[in-house]
Amino acid sequence: GENVEQHPSTLSVQEGDSAVIKCTYSDSASNYFPWYKQELGKRPQLIIDIRSNVGEKKDQRIAVTLNKTAKHFSLHITETQPEDSAVYFCAAYSGGGADGLTFGKGTHLIIQP
Amino acid sequence: DSGVTQTPKHLITATGQRVTLRCSPRSGDLSVYWYQQSLDQGLQFLIQYYNGEERAKGNILERFSAQQFPDLHSELNLSSLELGDSALYFCASSALADYNEQFFGPGTRLTVL
Repeated sequence: GENVEQHPSTLSVQEGDSAVIKCTYSDSASNYFPWYKQELGKRPQLIIDIRSNVGEKKDQRIAVTLNKTAKHFSLHITETQPEDSAVYFCAAYSGGGADGLTFGKGTHLIIQP
Repeated sequence: DSGVTQTPKHLITATGQRVTLRCSPRSGDLSVYWYQQSLDQGLQFLIQYYNGEERAKGNILERFSAQQFPDLHSELNLSSLELGDSALYFCASSALADYNEQFFGPGTRLTVL
């Protein structure tokens, strides 16, 4: 089955700086890559996603890039704000009746004022 | 609010007992997914139903079972509970069977004493 590795596990950045979280996946059949933000005790919330036929997608301060050849994808957050502090999860989905979403272990993003 | 509802919010029970968690998907969504989130295992896919039929199976124990009813709500049954089953259980829904964004419910926190 799919295996997703996520780095770093904790990331501390100064408010206003950029943050980058990286994930790699193992199954070349995976074709959908969402990112979720989860605040303490709350549900994961979809913040951005990308499909395998696209290399990059942007939504305001958030962008995701995908390198299918290298099997890695990254989340970029620019001009970070205190409300960006949360745990971020990447995931991969290959469908076809195999797995649901396979999640990375999460990155705890801390925005320092 | 994602539109996915889950009940109950909290559940405290004893080892050896059986519990049922309930999920109602967003209006119009045909797929329901169940996930378990624990500190040591992260977010893990358990099982998916699509329009009443089981579609994909993940790391679901034999003591656990699920079903999706004609009105598309789903129930996750956990039996012979063990201390290690204590976790947050999330339900998510999506419109289609594959390649589609999943929206998570607020979760049920299960504590097994």
